[in-house]
Amino acid sequence: EPEVTQTPSHQVTQMGQEVILRCVPISNHLYFYWYRQILGQKVEFLVSFYNNEISEKSEIFDDQFSVERPDGSNFTLKIRSTKLEDSAMYFCASRATGMSYEQYFGPGTRLTVT
Amino acid sequence: EDKVVQSPLSLVVHEGDTVTLNCSYEVTNFRSLLWYKQEKKAPTFLFMLTSSGIEKKSGRLSSILDKKELFSILNITATQTGDSAVYLCAVEPRGGATNKLIFGTGTLLAVQP
Repeated sequence: EPEVTQTPSHQVTQMGQEVILRCVPISNHLYFYWYRQILGQKVEFLVSFYNNEISEKSEIFDDQFSVERPDGSNFTLKIRSTKLEDSAMYFCASRATGMSYEQYFGPGTRLTVT
Repeated sequence: EDKVVQSPLSLVVHEGDTVTLNCSYEVTNFRSLLWYKQEKKAPTFLFMLTSSGIEKKSGRLSSILDKKELFSILNITATQTGDSAVYLCAVEPRGGATNKLIFGTGTLLAVQP
């Protein structure tokens, strides 16, 4: 069964460093998403991406964040200068086209900023 | 502000019990409500509900939506230890093409042998 994959599973970085989180969505999906879940809190929407551009972003997704689809398979989330409060689980999700298709989530990348 | 509220926050039951998890929502324009199961990491999809009163069923799990009262329930019958997880409810607002999900805090279900 096709699935969303994410790498790395765990990333530890120092405050101020740049990190890139990688995702490979399901191959025939065209809508891509990033969510985050701070420990003990709810899953929060960050950004959605379609047709090689951002469709919607939350207030969390400030200038420190960027997304890219560098080739036909990968979808990345970059945090330019990490802060302690960026520590969270980051989930990538993808969805097929159409109006009634569920989002499928990857296993997540746990980002720890020290 | 759109929001999703789940109850209870946590629940401990014994194998064989039946449980009902609740999800209420407030959203400006509603498109669908989704239930996910989160065990260790990735939320895994359970149900998508768009119409009131139509029960969706998968094995021992079932769910129904009430769009008038703005809530949904997830039922699990004859619970097993493998049902232990966080159950997430999410609402998909209408508007725009990309359909972000707004999640509740989840219900932590622990099924004891």
